[in-house]
Amino acid sequence: DAGVIQSPRHEVTEMGQEVTLRCKPISGHNSLFWYRQTMMRGLELLIYFNNNVPIDDSGMPEDRFSAKMPNASFSTLKIQPSEPRDSAVYFCASTVDSSMNTEAFFGQGTRLTVV
Amino acid sequence: AQKVTQAQTEISVVEKEDVTLDCVYETRDTTYYLFWYKQPPSGELVFLIRRNSFDEQNEISGRYSWNFQKSTSSFNFTITASQVVDSAVYFCALSGRTTDSWGKFQFGAGTQVVVTP
Repeated sequence: DAGVIQSPRHEVTEMGQEVTLRCKPISGHNSLFWYRQTMMRGLELLIYFNNNVPIDDSGMPEDRFSAKMPNASFSTLKIQPSEPRDSAVYFCASTVDSSMNTEAFFGQGTRLTVV
Repeated sequence: AQKVTQAQTEISVVEKEDVTLDCVYETRDTTYYLFWYKQPPSGELVFLIRRNSFDEQNEISGRYSWNFQKSTSSFNFTITASQVVDSAVYFCALSGRTTDSWGKFQFGAGTQVVVTP
């Protein structure tokens, strides 16, 4: 299995620009999570989907952040407009089914730098 | 609300020493799941173990062992005879079964383990 695939691995953008992070979950996994990791706040859950439906987006910091999952094999996290404080590593993870509390498998992350 | 506390920020050991990482959790759920993940310097998060709240048996996997004690809400992790390759940040996580906690992984702050030759 290829694992969770995230792109790009690194992104450097200027403040105010739109940024789109992409994720392909493991085939057959029904739940997908977006996490953000910073030194100050650690690993924070932003949003998670079950069967392509957003279940909980209470962790999304503000309206500048949006996430979609148009099908079972693809999800995006968009930041528009980006700000320097959005600089972090963004992880996507998938699990067989969140209702079963199975372990989540993480992608390699996207390191975002907003200058 | 769920909470995971990893009080140790960093642990430094010399190769071949044992190292124990503490994890204390809080939850109102009667059924919940605990996890350990490893984040090596390369940055990815690697799943190590999953344990449900009804299974208090300790587990050993090679040089890794886990001690789950429900009475003290702890799920500690020991690396025996540490090696340089064990240098990483280790995260404890909790996932519950109530509406508020369902499917969410609450991570601790992580413990940095540094193993020197």
